[in-house]
Amino acid sequence: GESVGLHLPTLSVQEGDNSIINCAYSNSASDYFIWYKQESGKGPQFIIDIRSNMDKRQGQRVTVLLNKTVKHLSLQIAATQPGDSAVYFCAETVVYDMRFGAGTRLTVKP
Amino acid sequence: DTGVSQNPRHKITKRGQNVTFRCDPISEHNRLYWYRQTLGQGPEFLTYFQNEAQLEKSRLLSDRFSAERPKGSFSTLEIQRTEQGDSAMYLCASSLETGANSPLHFGNGTRLTVT
Repeated sequence: GESVGLHLPTLSVQEGDNSIINCAYSNSASDYFIWYKQESGKGPQFIIDIRSNMDKRQGQRVTVLLNKTVKHLSLQIAATQPGDSAVYFCAETVVYDMRFGAGTRLTVKP
Repeated sequence: DTGVSQNPRHKITKRGQNVTFRCDPISEHNRLYWYRQTLGQGPEFLTYFQNEAQLEKSRLLSDRFSAERPKGSFSTLEIQRTEQGDSAMYLCASSLETGANSPLHFGNGTRLTVT
């Protein structure tokens, strides 16, 4: 399943499928990007980050891709699990100034 | 768990009252941030401290809002003469300055309801 950032704020996938969450960032000077996961009633939780001198970074079951040409960031989650259900935010940073997008709600169907 | 701690978790107040929230960051973190989050939106930056110095304030932070970090450790956010539009989740985050960017670590927030 795939989302297109602010225009499709909800993504529903089947358990075990791969998920792709997209984000269009706004500031071409942003040099550091983070994906956060937020569960209901909790603060955002760090998932993975990437600096502007990279275009791909992998973590455990997650991959972040950065395309600076079109100012696009994506988060890929492999073998999505029910525990992955949450709202996902991308954040862009210039120096200390971190700004968040509106988020995408990921729902995993069993 | 030595993560970011925020108190109280919930606060209900009547319009016109003052409220104060507290944030205890991760102990070795010298940067501290306050964000506000409304339902269905991402966190919005309010203000930022490096040690005890408040280095940046958003336009969102009206003169009814004041934040302090007196000893460079915990921080307080006070809202005076609360309005219904102040109802939101107030999030605190901290990070360690390493010469390069590092991720913010968030607390679980204080949810404010102004009636």
